[in-house]
Amino acid sequence: DARVTQTPRHKVTEMGQEVTMRCQPILGHNTVFWYRQTMMQGLELLAYFRNRAPLDDSGMPKDRFSAEMPDATLATLKIQPSEPRDSAVYFCASGTQGYTEAFFGQGTRLTVV
Amino acid sequence: EDKVVQSPLSLVVHEGDTVTLNCSYEVTNFRSLLWYKQEKKAPTFLFMLTSSGIEKKSGRLSSILDKKELFSILNITATQTGDSAVYLCAVLNQAGTALIFGKGTTLSVSS
Repeated sequence: DARVTQTPRHKVTEMGQEVTMRCQPILGHNTVFWYRQTMMQGLELLAYFRNRAPLDDSGMPKDRFSAEMPDATLATLKIQPSEPRDSAVYFCASGTQGYTEAFFGQGTRLTVV
Repeated sequence: EDKVVQSPLSLVVHEGDTVTLNCSYEVTNFRSLLWYKQEKKAPTFLFMLTSSGIEKKSGRLSSILDKKELFSILNITATQTGDSAVYLCAVLNQAGTALIFGKGTTLSVSS
């Protein structure tokens, strides 16, 4: 059963701490999206990778957020330092370059206190 | 700036009713429009629409795209309580580098 796997599922941290969220895309998928979802803003696109290269991260606050794909099976989203306004559910989605639908992971619910 | 607008924001219906959800968009270099259903967790894919006027259907759900008027509708007939969810519309740009979501329509179906 192919699925996108995200870890951790939940994270509570104190303001100022570093947070790393991980995503394992579906095997064979070469595109990865990172989204942040809040009640107010809905799903906001943070970053997009194709073949591990970041093609668009314009939606991401550069001063504290960074996204990488160290290999084809792992994408990471890091926040340093974290702030209470970063509290949200962070989703990763993967797809194929020929593009059909994007498959979403279960999300990481981040709470920064 | 690319944007996707969904209406209504929320909807409450009785079981058995038929509902129509709307999605309009302004996207540079449109490629396709996707509908997702989100219950408590991750959005799950429903439809992808690329061509105007061709209805996609899955059970009681159907959707159609109008590329001239830049909108899509999602119809759900004979609604059931299990249809209660947030329905999300998203538009993909031609390069496939941006999948922009609307804020969603929250559908509540009462028994």
